[in-house]
This record gives sequence, structure tokens and C-alpha cells, in this order.
Amino acid sequence: EVQLVESGGGLVKPGESLRLACAASGFTFSHAYMTWVRQAPGKGLEWVGRIKNKADGGTTDYAAPVKGRFTISRDDSKNTLYLQMNSLKTEDTAMYYCCYFYMDVWGKGTTVTVSS
Amino acid sequence: DIQMTQSPSSLSASVGDRVTITCRASQGIGNDLGWYQQKPGKAPKRLMYAVSKLQSGVPSRFSGSGSGTEFTLTISSLQPEDFATYYCLQLNSCPLTFGGGTKVEIK
Repeated sequence: EVQLVESGGGLVKPGESLRLACAASGFTFSHAYMTWVRQAPGKGLEWVGRIKNKADGGTTDYAAPVKGRFTISRDDSKNTLYLQMNSLKTEDTAMYYCCYFYMDVWGKGTTVTVSS
Repeated sequence: DIQMTQSPSSLSASVGDRVTITCRASQGIGNDLGWYQQKPGKAPKRLMYAVSKLQSGVPSRFSGSGSGTEFTLTISSLQPEDFATYYCLQLNSCPLTFGGGTKVEIK
């Protein structure tokens, strides 16, 4: 079964850091471009960023609101995608989804709440 | 960056109605457009890709059209399970951008 399972969400204070993980199964993870999408409570979908596969350079792209604060990485040996979030702001509060757009696979999401 | 302007932001319709949702891109995106459906508490699900290609398993009452900067999702006969929020997504260039969403409610 093709599956993505996010973990690592929680409640943090502004300025703190958090690392999300996304465990992939059922497809060849090392070939996949992987993406993070978030959704603030009651709001629309927002693309956060993506990482290419190693064959295409493994490079990353980010949305402007998170550039310089968030880092996407991958460990193909563990079939796992990561989102390192630093200098968190209250406006980063959202459900964070890990996605494989090519096959339209989405995780169930993990909730990040940034509040003092 | 490419902006995606989606309209309307919400609509009320009855079962059996024909519904049309539009997305306008701030610049040409070729056919790099998808449509997603999201129900409350669930992850989005893709309905269409490459403007007009129906995702496997999606009913044929959904269709997509358009080119360049103007794109449309049509539901030919709205069914009870179609009440949801719909988003377009441009995949032409980073940053990828979603439209603001259209909430389809029961009239």
C-alpha cells in the first residue's frame, strides 16, 4: 500500500524549533520529488516547499514565508522526508502534509501549533 | 511568482446542478494545472491533472478545461458527496501556488 505518515508535530513557543518527519512506503521513495503543504486552521492550502530526487540534484525550493527558516531534507536509506522548522512564528500554526504529487499520495498530516 | 486567482470563493448549489469553478493564473502556465477536492478533516484528493486529465477513480461528471491563464473545473451534475472545498494548483514553476479555494455548499 502506498502510504505517507507524518510525525513530530506539537505545541511550541515562538522562536523555537521543530522537526517533522514523513515515513514513506509502497513506492520508490528515492525516485520521488517530495513536497510539504500546510493548511492553517480554517484557511486554504499553502505549498511550503519541495525536494527533488538525488538523480535530479536533490535541490530544494521554498515558499517565501518560510525561506531561510525551514529546511527540507531526505534520507533515502530510511524512506523518510524531513522538515526542519526554525524560528517558528505564530503564523506557522497549521496542519502540515507530506505529499508525493506525481502519484497523488498525501499523508494524514501532523499539527503544529506555535503559541506563547 | 505565479498567482492563482480562484472564483467564486463559495457557492450554494443543489443536487443535480451544473457547477463551474474558475482559476486564473497571473502568467501562462501551459497545461501545468491540477484540481483538488478537500473534505473537512481530510487530506486533499486530486481530481484532474494536466488541466483535463481525469485522475483514476474520479467520476466522469468532473471535467477540466482551459489553457494559458484561464482554467475551469466543471461538475456536470452535482452529487451529495461533491459538497467540499476545491482548489486549483499550478505546477509550472516554483513556488507552486494554490488558488484560494471554492467551498461548494448545499442550497
